Amino acid sequence: ETGVTQTPRHLVMGMTNKKSLKCEQHLGHNAMYWYKQSAKKPLELMFVYNFKEQTENNSVPSRFSPECPNSSHLFLHLHTLQPEDSALYLCASSRTDVSARGTGELFFGEGSRLTVL
Amino acid sequence: KQEVTQIPAALSVPEGENLVLNCSFTDSAIYNLQWFRQDPGKGLTSLLLIQSSQREQTSGRLNASLDKSSGRSTLYIAASQPGDSATYLCAVKEGPGTYKYIFGTGTRLKVLA
Repeated sequence: ETGVTQTPRHLVMGMTNKKSLKCEQHLGHNAMYWYKQSAKKPLELMFVYNFKEQTENNSVPSRFSPECPNSSHLFLHLHTLQPEDSALYLCASSRTDVSARGTGELFFGEGSRLTVL
Repeated sequence: KQEVTQIPAALSVPEGENLVLNCSFTDSAIYNLQWFRQDPGKGLTSLLLIQSSQREQTSGRLNASLDKSSGRSTLYIAASQPGDSATYLCAVKEGPGTYKYIFGTGTRLKVLA
């Protein structure tokens, strides 16, 4: 149990569906991340939120829409996806208060395996 | 542009062997380096975090070292067990204020019983 919970763990959707991935962290962190992991590729950073403000959007297509209502919750809304979007989507969180020792450690959830038919 | 490389991509060893996994990075100006373990279809589990001012960190049978000047980190696993079979990834964070962690592609380890 890492303190970062993702739901659902598995999702199958058609190209015309709309679905959402959810992430919740219980670590008191201020930053939350969405990563995409495809086979044989390094992790790809998609979005970063710091204190619920978006700080990074790594040129992600608009069919992926993030939402961060507070520092503990992060969503990824999915619509009109393509089969190549099938991947493991990982949520992570960290603390970025530079005055504290040991900050910057990244904690991941178990991931949501997405299959687009 | 920072690049992180992990060689080899895959490794098989007999149970009980001590082994070393390698992580190289091209820009020595890093804030920290983190080692992760990933089991198939699962998320990443943090193993060890080394701050830029540190030379090594230990946790149980794991020891990670950091040599910033040469752009290298190693993860040493003592007395390997079949349960250590997983993919091991390293990631560098370039600064305290950045949110970008640069990941390697990982080393897939198989420990044979």
